[in-house]
Amino acid sequence: QSALTQPASVSGSPGQSITVSCTGTSSDLGTFNLVSWYQQHPGKAPKLLIYEDRKRPSGVSNRFSASKSGNTASLTISGLQAEDEADYYCCSYAGSSTWVFGGGTKLTVL
Amino acid sequence: QVQLQESGPGLVKPSETLSLTCAVSGGSISHNYWSWIRQPAGKTLEWLGRIYATGTTNYTPSLKSRVTISLDTSKNQVSLRLNSVTAADTAVYYCVRGPLPPTMTFDDWGQGILVTVSS
Repeated sequence: QSALTQPASVSGSPGQSITVSCTGTSSDLGTFNLVSWYQQHPGKAPKLLIYEDRKRPSGVSNRFSASKSGNTASLTISGLQAEDEADYYCCSYAGSSTWVFGGGTKLTVL
Repeated sequence: QVQLQESGPGLVKPSETLSLTCAVSGGSISHNYWSWIRQPAGKTLEWLGRIYATGTTNYTPSLKSRVTISLDTSKNQVSLRLNSVTAADTAVYYCVRGPLPPTMTFDDWGQGILVTVSS
């Protein structure tokens, strides 16, 4: 059971859009529609952004959207704001009642 | 939304047992799943395991032989024990409500507690 693969870092200017990818395998992300995304600011606990591949919990800005194709999930943040600077983690159900996280992506707002 | 507060020793010696407790307030530990997730400094999150109100547990395969998660319903607490620790177990440990069916998300997180393994 290996961690999902994310780029170590992405960056964008205010107002722009960025996309973070998350690659798994046919044993986890590719089989189950249970990818979630979390945002973590420094020194804070993660916060749920996306669940079931593409759904947003109430209270999460519609600037956050997500999709999945095959073994790769993607998180898109549009209209980048300074407050979006954080670490982003994908997570997938991996079968047999286990869960796996991605390596994390640090977003820098230039 | 429940509140979760981790507590326990911040320093554990190598080969000894790490023991943490999570106090749950604002809701009952019944009818919920509870997980422990850890994060070494500057690294990613690692799900360690979960427990349901019935006491049923699931653990991540790589740590299954060393991890025990339990409940104390009378105190509304969730506990973690990790034995035979090494420096690689140094991390911030989070108590988390979830994964919650059917979405399987980790909804509520404690603030985390830093545990350092060192002699």
